[in-house]
Amino acid sequence: GQQVMQIPQYQHVQEGEDFTTYCNSSTTLSNIQWYKQRPGGHPVFLIQLVKSGEVKKQKRLTFQFGEAKKNSSLHITATQTTDVGTYFCAGPGGAGSYQLTFGKGTKLSVIP
Amino acid sequence: GAVVSQHPSRVICKSGTSVKIECRSLDFQATTMFWYRQFPKQSLMLMATSNEGSKATYEQGVEKDKFLINHASLTLSTLTVTSAHPEDSSFYICSARDYLQGTNTEAFFGQGTRLTVV
Repeated sequence: GQQVMQIPQYQHVQEGEDFTTYCNSSTTLSNIQWYKQRPGGHPVFLIQLVKSGEVKKQKRLTFQFGEAKKNSSLHITATQTTDVGTYFCAGPGGAGSYQLTFGKGTKLSVIP
Repeated sequence: GAVVSQHPSRVICKSGTSVKIECRSLDFQATTMFWYRQFPKQSLMLMATSNEGSKATYEQGVEKDKFLINHASLTLSTLTVTSAHPEDSSFYICSARDYLQGTNTEAFFGQGTRLTVV
């Protein structure tokens, strides 16, 4: 079945440094979604990318979808302590499925 | 926006007892809901897909008789952990998507249930 690989698993950064997490799929994705889970919380939807090569920004967060629609990245500029959490990418499940296939997530720690 | 409510948020139970977790879609109808389990520092593991009016679809390795799922209405799915044991202690999260908004719609997650079996 479809797999979504996400790296790195953990990232510790000094406050103010940049952060990037990468997501790769074994198959072409029709779309990719990104979620953030704060410590002790539940995943919350951040954004969805649909078009090949698409780039979307949300303040300090930049999301990219690869040209081949097999990879994606989330980049945070000048991290803040409020960015702490685990970031998950998710692609559609198999054909006809309503499921989402989640990457293992990248846990971001920000050192003040 | 759409909201999914999960209850209870925390539960401590004795080994051998059963625990029911509820997942409600508050402002949309969810013909399909998903139940995940999350171990500490790990990703979301899909346990089963809950289908309104029919049997749930379980992922490989998930015991159907242990994790009973009922989806009796378009807004409510329940997960019952039967004869719970300490190894069942985990964070259980449900999610639902409002397919009236399209098949690529975002997933809304419940707040999660922290189950501790003692």
